[in-house]
Amino acid sequence: AQKITQTQPGMFVQEKEAVTLDCTYDTSDQSYGLFWYKQPSSGEMIFLIYQGSYDEQNATEGRYSLNFQKARKSANLVISASQLGDSAMYFCAMRENHSGAGSYQLTFGKGTKLSVIP
Amino acid sequence: NAGVTQTPKFQVLKTGQSMTLQCAQDMNHEYMSWYRQDPGMGLRLIHYSVGAGITDQGEVPNGYNVSRSTTEDFPLRLLSAAPSQTSVYFCASSYHNEQFFGPGTRLTVL
Repeated sequence: AQKITQTQPGMFVQEKEAVTLDCTYDTSDQSYGLFWYKQPSSGEMIFLIYQGSYDEQNATEGRYSLNFQKARKSANLVISASQLGDSAMYFCAMRENHSGAGSYQLTFGKGTKLSVIP
Repeated sequence: NAGVTQTPKFQVLKTGQSMTLQCAQDMNHEYMSWYRQDPGMGLRLIHYSVGAGITDQGEVPNGYNVSRSTTEDFPLRLLSAAPSQTSVYFCASSYHNEQFFGPGTRLTVL
């Protein structure tokens, strides 16, 4: 079974609108972390936001917020007020605690391609 | 700080050739890792290191070797390149809850 599932291969959003990118995960660990990365067409991986499994509040970073629903094992990324520069691939990733102390092994989903329409 | 640097940016190899992808970071991070990204896929972990002298395998280690003699450098070696190793390779270093990625190396094996 996939550990990270991103069910939307592609999404379109109108400029200035909000968009939600879906991510579900599978782990038996109690302690884990969830990440979102942006990959523009230039290819670099840009860290957006992090949510720890014990964090009680949803993470926010500027226009990015993470809608964390632990019981549903979902960690959706919400981008508010979309901009043309938001057009990119978006990857959800998970770090599980059983990987060991000091480990930062990430398991990635297959990504969602977001296109922002003017 | 230069962050995480990778060389080369592009490389074309013939089947059976060997080469080393270089990765360096100037942030004094203990944890470094190598990922590969294939079309339509997310990144998959090849090897990682939790500090100088300590390395371990990730999800897809076959065909790759690593070593970590210093905190700064974490080279990835392809001993005998195969077309299946055509991919984009990312090096990363980590601190707390953030991984800093290098710009990537696009490798083509003919």
